[in-house]
Parts: sequence; structure tokens; C-alpha cells
Amino acid sequence: AQSVTQLGSHVSVSEGALVLLRCNYSSSVPPYLFWYVQYPNQGLQLLLKYTSAATLVKGINGFEAEFKKSETSFHLTKPSAHMSDAAEYFCAVSEIITGGFKTIFGAGTRLFVKA
Amino acid sequence: GAVVSQHPSWVICKSGTSVKIECRSLDFQATTMFWYRQFPKQSLMLMATSNEGSKATYEQGVEKDKFLINHASLTLSTLTVTSAHPEDSSFYICSARATPRPGANMNTEAFFGQGTRLTVV
Repeated sequence: AQSVTQLGSHVSVSEGALVLLRCNYSSSVPPYLFWYVQYPNQGLQLLLKYTSAATLVKGINGFEAEFKKSETSFHLTKPSAHMSDAAEYFCAVSEIITGGFKTIFGAGTRLFVKA
Repeated sequence: GAVVSQHPSWVICKSGTSVKIECRSLDFQATTMFWYRQFPKQSLMLMATSNEGSKATYEQGVEKDKFLINHASLTLSTLTVTSAHPEDSSFYICSARATPRPGANMNTEAFFGQGTRLTVV
């Protein structure tokens, strides 16, 4: 079975600083990997996804993530944090099941951005 | 991107009553929809996979008689929390994956609804 581990339940950065949110996965097959953002009392919004094409994936709002098979990692980065980036971020992996996919989420990382 | 609408966004109900939550794909057809539950400051836990025209597949530990799922059309799935108790209070989120066109690969991306905050008093 596939799984996702997000290192750090909380990350705090200053506005304008680099954002790095860590995600490691375990999978016996090439995975489909995702990063989602969740604002309070809202659903999830897709930031970016990796589906076995380019290993460096660019997403919305200036975020990007790099798939590193050797490290089984898919860390999320953004060069310069903005106050509006403060939210909960979830890394996810899709597992193929009979008839479709099942998405498994990491525990989430809350990003705080200090002025 | 595709839009998934979830209704209501919040609901308060009395213990023992039932609550229905709707999940609609507005601009695409979804053969498969997923229902998640999220406790405060925790991740999303998959409750069940809803397939149009067939019975839902429940995850281990989820009571199918308590959380009734109906997926009667390609754009609508409903979750009914029956005989609700305070411990059922949670944030419920649905997601939908678009039905692929004939001959196309399965879609890997799921689109999420806005979530429903259920409070049972």
C-alpha cells in the first residue's frame, strides 16, 4: 500500500522567505503525487501534480515541487512567501484500485507566514 | 478547473436526526466520487468511494448503515448521516473524478467540494 509522510506539522517563515514543505512517499509503482492547499473551513485546492512527466512541476501561486525518485520525495517550494500563503498544505498520492484511483493524504503541514 | 459544489456548507442538527449532504459536479460527469471526513487540525480520512449506479465501497471502520451514500447520477452523490450523534460532528468533504472520454486514460486529478461543517448538538 502507498503512504505519504509530511515532515513537520507546522512550518513558520517570514514574508519574502523561502517556503519548503517536505513530503516523502512510499510506493511500489510509479506514483501520482499531488499537493493541495486548504484554507480554513474550505475544501482543497490543487496546487500541482506529478504524473510521470517532468520531474520539476510548476503549480499555481508560484509553487513548485520536484519529484526525486531516489529520495522518494516530492517537496513543495516557493521562493518568496506571501502572507496569503498561510494555510494548511497536504501532500497526497493516488493509488490505483479496481475501477479507478484512491487518494491518500499526508497529515498536513500548517504554514505560518510572519510579517 | 472543474467545479464541485457541496451543499450545505454548514449544518447544525439535533442528536438522533439525519442530515443529508449533497455533492455535485457542475461541469463534468463523475463516475466516481469520494467522501472524506476531517477532524480539527487533522488530515482527510477517506470514508467511502461512491460509484454511479452501484453500491459504495466503504473504508474499514466506517459504518455503512450510519453513513448512507447514494450516487444516483453522474453528477450527484449524497451522504446521509443517520441518527447523528455529537461525535459525528466534523468537516465532511467530497471529491469527484471526471469520467474519461472513451479510449482516454483514467483521470488522475480529483476536484474537491467546499466541505460541510456538521455540528450535532
